[in-house]
Amino acid sequence: DAGVIQSPRHEVTEMGQEVTLRCKPISGHNSLFWYRQTMMRGLELLIYFNNNVPIDDSGMPEDRFSAKMPNASFSTLKIQPSEPRDSAVYFCASKISGGAYEQYFGPGTRLTVT
Amino acid sequence: GQQLNQSPQSMFIQEGEDVSMNCTSSSIFNTWLWYKQDPGEGPVLLIALYKAGELTSNGRLTAQFGITRKDSFLNISASIPSDVGIYFCAGPNSGNTPLVFGKGTRLSVIA
Repeated sequence: DAGVIQSPRHEVTEMGQEVTLRCKPISGHNSLFWYRQTMMRGLELLIYFNNNVPIDDSGMPEDRFSAKMPNASFSTLKIQPSEPRDSAVYFCASKISGGAYEQYFGPGTRLTVT
Repeated sequence: GQQLNQSPQSMFIQEGEDVSMNCTSSSIFNTWLWYKQDPGEGPVLLIALYKAGELTSNGRLTAQFGITRKDSFLNISASIPSDVGIYFCAGPNSGNTPLVFGKGTRLSVIA
């Protein structure tokens, strides 16, 4: 069975450029989460969706960050304009809605902004 | 909000040794999850615990849901080099909300 798929796996961009990260959740999962991981702050929840609807975006650091989920099988996280402090590993995770708490993570996108 | 404290933060052990790590909270948790993150990869779910006092095994890994519901333990027996990575505990913040993660325990195994 395919797990959570993320692309690209690595992204190097210059400050000021737009960055788009992509995620395909596990089929049948209807909750999707975007996380950022850094050495200093660990794993931080940025935003999550239930049934394609954003539920809590309080973790999104600034207006430069936006996320969409146009359908049940695709989500994007966009940073515009990017800054060096955005450099981190970004993970997408999905789970079944309802009582189950187990989240399943993708392999991550390592973003470097120079 | 609720926080999870993991200890130790890091540990270096010899191959073949047993490993113990724990996760504590000031609040009661109804579910405990343990994840492992290999270098360059995403966290992978190892064990899920749902009931106070529960003891669950997955191969050489054993995890326990503390009886007070404020802690959980993960043990690895007879460590091998591929056990290297970061181990995270996690639990639901409250009700039907996303997970809270600990900062992780970084395990290094010396062959």
